[in-house]
Amino acid sequence: EAQVTQNPRYLITVTGKKLTVTCSQNMNHEYMSWYRQDPGLGLRQIYYSMNVEVTDKGDVPEGYKVSRKEKRNFPLILESPSPNQTSLYFCASSLSHAGGGYTFGSGTRLTVV
Amino acid sequence: GQQVMQIPQYQHVQEGEDFTTYCNSSTTLSNIQWYKQRPGGHPVFLIQLVKSGEVKKQKRLTFQFGEAKKNSSLHITATQTTDVGTYFCAGLLEDNYGQNFVFGPGTRLSVLP
Repeated sequence: EAQVTQNPRYLITVTGKKLTVTCSQNMNHEYMSWYRQDPGLGLRQIYYSMNVEVTDKGDVPEGYKVSRKEKRNFPLILESPSPNQTSLYFCASSLSHAGGGYTFGSGTRLTVV
Repeated sequence: GQQVMQIPQYQHVQEGEDFTTYCNSSTTLSNIQWYKQRPGGHPVFLIQLVKSGEVKKQKRLTFQFGEAKKNSSLHITATQTTDVGTYFCAGLLEDNYGQNFVFGPGTRLSVLP
């Protein structure tokens, strides 16, 4: 089944403790992206990747890192999480950045205390 | 930064009534996509519009792209309880780094049985 798999689904962590949210897609998509969703703010892009080893900042990149060493994986790294990073995170992929529709993962609800 | 706006933010309708959400951009969009997110779920791609004035239908859903490619609408005829969710538009905008999709804040639809 074509899908984007995110892990974990839920995570509660403490301020400053490094964490990684994994994202993997099995559709051979070139484009992958991370979003955070907060009430009233919709989906805001954190980072995106046009292809392997090509990543760029989105609208809200501060406090996050990403890597794209393989086409299928696009992990999101929070080196030192803070409470304002408490949010619902979605990974998405698409054949290209310009169209075709994004396939979203099921989301990761992160709470930083 | 560049923004894509949506109105209304919320809409409550009685089952059987029609519903419309509007998406607006201050700049021309290369194309526009629409997504639906059920409560507790992830965004799911509905459709993409590319041409000026384009109209597409999916059963009770009608999607339009404005002549100037700066606005779009999603109309649902005779809503059902299964239509409940948040509807997002995403416009493909040009920025300093190329093209990227920007999501609107969404319209949350409630359908009363």
